[in-house]
Amino acid sequence: RKEVEQDPGPFNVPEGATVAFNCTYSNSASQSFFWYRQDCRKEPKLLMSVYSSGNEDGRFTAQLNRASQYISLLIRDSKLSDSATYLCVVINLDSWGKLQFGAGTQVVVTP
Amino acid sequence: SAVISQKPSRDICQRGTSLTIQCQVDSQVTMMFWYRQQPGQSLTLIATANQGSEATYESGFVIDKFPISRPNLTFSTLTVSNMSPEDSSIYLCSVRQGPEEKLFFGSGTQLSVL
Repeated sequence: RKEVEQDPGPFNVPEGATVAFNCTYSNSASQSFFWYRQDCRKEPKLLMSVYSSGNEDGRFTAQLNRASQYISLLIRDSKLSDSATYLCVVINLDSWGKLQFGAGTQVVVTP
Repeated sequence: SAVISQKPSRDICQRGTSLTIQCQVDSQVTMMFWYRQQPGQSLTLIATANQGSEATYESGFVIDKFPISRPNLTFSTLTVSNMSPEDSSIYLCSVRQGPEEKLFFGSGTQLSVL
C-alpha cells in the first residue's frame, strides 16, 4: 500500500461549481501536510498548508482528519484556471522529515 | 519563498549520452533535493545534496548513474549518465524553507531520451 494515496481523477467540474477531493495517508506519525498544484509539464507549486483546525485561502479550503488519516481540498466557484493536478504532500516525523507525495488528482474545469 | 533557477528546461538526448542539470538558488540553503517525476506518477526523491559532503541517495538510485555536485550553498548539479529511454522524465531540484520547512521547486527539466 502506498503511503499517500489520491484519486487520480479526472474530476470534471463545470465552471462555478464546487469540487472536493481527499488524500489518505497511512503513517500515523505524519505531522505536516500540504497541497501543491501542478500544471501540465510544470513544477509543483505550493498551494497551501493544511492545519489541524482547517484553513481557508480564498476559494480553497483544506481540512485534516487525523482520526481517519486523510486531508481534503475543496475548491469553490471553480475557475477555468483551476484546471491542474493537485498533489498531496505529507511529512513524516519518523522518517527524518522526508516528504511523501501523492500521485495527484487531476481537476478539469469546463466552461 | 526561494527563487530557484533550473536549466535546461528541456532536452532531447540520445541513448548512452549524459546530461547535466543545473540548479541555482537565490539564498544559501543547507540541503538541496533532486526529484524525478515519471509520467503520471508521483515525485520520487533521487538524492539529497549537502554542501561539503557526498550526496545521500535513496534506494534505487546510485552515484554512478546520478552523480551530484554541490560546490557551494546556492548551487547544485545532477547528471543523468549513460541515458536510456527509461530515464525520460521530469527532473526537479528543490529546497525547503521556513518554519514549516515548505518545499519549493525549480522549474524542472523535461528530459526525453531517444
